[in-house]
Amino acid sequence: NAGVTQTPKFQVLKTGQSMTLQCAQDMNHNSMYWYRQDPGMGLRLIYYSASEGTTDKGEVPNGYNVSRLNKREFSLRLESAAPSQTSVYFCASSGWGAGGYTFGSGTRLTVV
Amino acid sequence: EDKVVQSPLSLVVHEGDTVTLNCSYEVTNFRSLLWYKQEKKAPTFLFMLTSSGIEKKSGRLSSILDKKELFSILNITATQTGDSAIYLCAGYAGNNRKLIWGLGTSLAVNP
Repeated sequence: NAGVTQTPKFQVLKTGQSMTLQCAQDMNHNSMYWYRQDPGMGLRLIYYSASEGTTDKGEVPNGYNVSRLNKREFSLRLESAAPSQTSVYFCASSGWGAGGYTFGSGTRLTVV
Repeated sequence: EDKVVQSPLSLVVHEGDTVTLNCSYEVTNFRSLLWYKQEKKAPTFLFMLTSSGIEKKSGRLSSILDKKELFSILNITATQTGDSAIYLCAGYAGNNRKLIWGLGTSLAVNP
């Protein structure tokens, strides 16, 4: 029972490089989310997809793009990484009407 | 603007103590209040509360919601070192299916 699978777990990028974080869920959830978590700032929503075929900006979308490839997969792309994007990134999915999320294990990204 | 405020921000107790964590919320189109525990990895789900005054329990943890006063508490009795974690509270806005997160309470349980 995999739940939400997120890759990679760790990544170091140089400023200006690009990368894509992958997320897949096997719970048939409609909604998927990308968060970043920084010390003292809590979980901040980057982008979300309420259902297959839709994506919307969250609180901190600048510098990121997303793709909801199908119902299972939701990827996050950094086109030109900046040191300010050093963070821990979490993907989550939700199928409950009242908001219960299941999180992936996280990606620790360092941009140097 | 929607917000969730948790208190205290950090807490240090001894094993065996009982702790109460607080969460107040202002969430438009509020549907539910959720508690998560975060150790070194991803948050894991503890409770979802939708009705006022009904206590939810899981072992030594319990939680209750007051929709009139817009707050929730999470109680942990007979704390253990394994309870050391960040406890996150979030309000669910049903209209846009988003969670509004608090900053968390960092709990340290010393032996």
